[in-house]
Amino acid sequence: QVQLVQSGAEVKKPGASVKVSCKASGYTFTDYHVNWVRQAPGQGLEWMGWVNPDNGGTNYVQKFQGRVTMTRDTSITTVYMELNGLISDDTAVYYCARWTSGWHAFDIWGQGTKVIVSS
Amino acid sequence: EIVLTQSPGTLSLSPGERATLSCRASQSVSSTFLVWYQQKPGQAPRLLIYGASSRATGIPDRFSGSGSGTDFTLTISRLEPEDFAVYYCQQYGHSLTFGGGTKVEIK
Repeated sequence: QVQLVQSGAEVKKPGASVKVSCKASGYTFTDYHVNWVRQAPGQGLEWMGWVNPDNGGTNYVQKFQGRVTMTRDTSITTVYMELNGLISDDTAVYYCARWTSGWHAFDIWGQGTKVIVSS
Repeated sequence: EIVLTQSPGTLSLSPGERATLSCRASQSVSSTFLVWYQQKPGQAPRLLIYGASSRATGIPDRFSGSGSGTDFTLTISRLEPEDFAVYYCQQYGHSLTFGGGTKVEIK
């Protein structure tokens, strides 16, 4: 079945970096952009940007530019989101989500990766 | 950036009742780009409605979406126990933003 499976929870110190992976299966990897959305504890959803698995192109929300890098490895159908210079406000659950252009919506979501930033 | 304001923040209803959730945009959004998601505690969001009124695959017909311009509505005709959750609207006309969510809780 179509699914996105993410890496496990992380605990990081302020100033460190985190790299979260998202493995796609059950569909043609290069046909759909993969986006990243985060959710702070008890808060709503915040879009971070996307990576195009076909050519590696990216589009980042301005708030995260300079701090986030989204990449992909087509050989293992996996996308990555790396966030640098972590602060406590980056504590959140990070989701990868497949963008379906025909519906202009996220139709498949990963299970989420909890990232805790704490000294 | 288009701001989406969802109301009410919390809706307290009983199973079998009708739920009406509002999503208001700070400027006009094409219906093509208005989406609704459902999120239950500890789970990822699930796509319910795309294009303002089209149900995603496997979504029961008690869920319906409507609206245009700046005002959109998600209606759940008769609440089932599994429908108590948080609902988010999202637009993709100008960048991509989510509303703050409406929690539908059991009265």
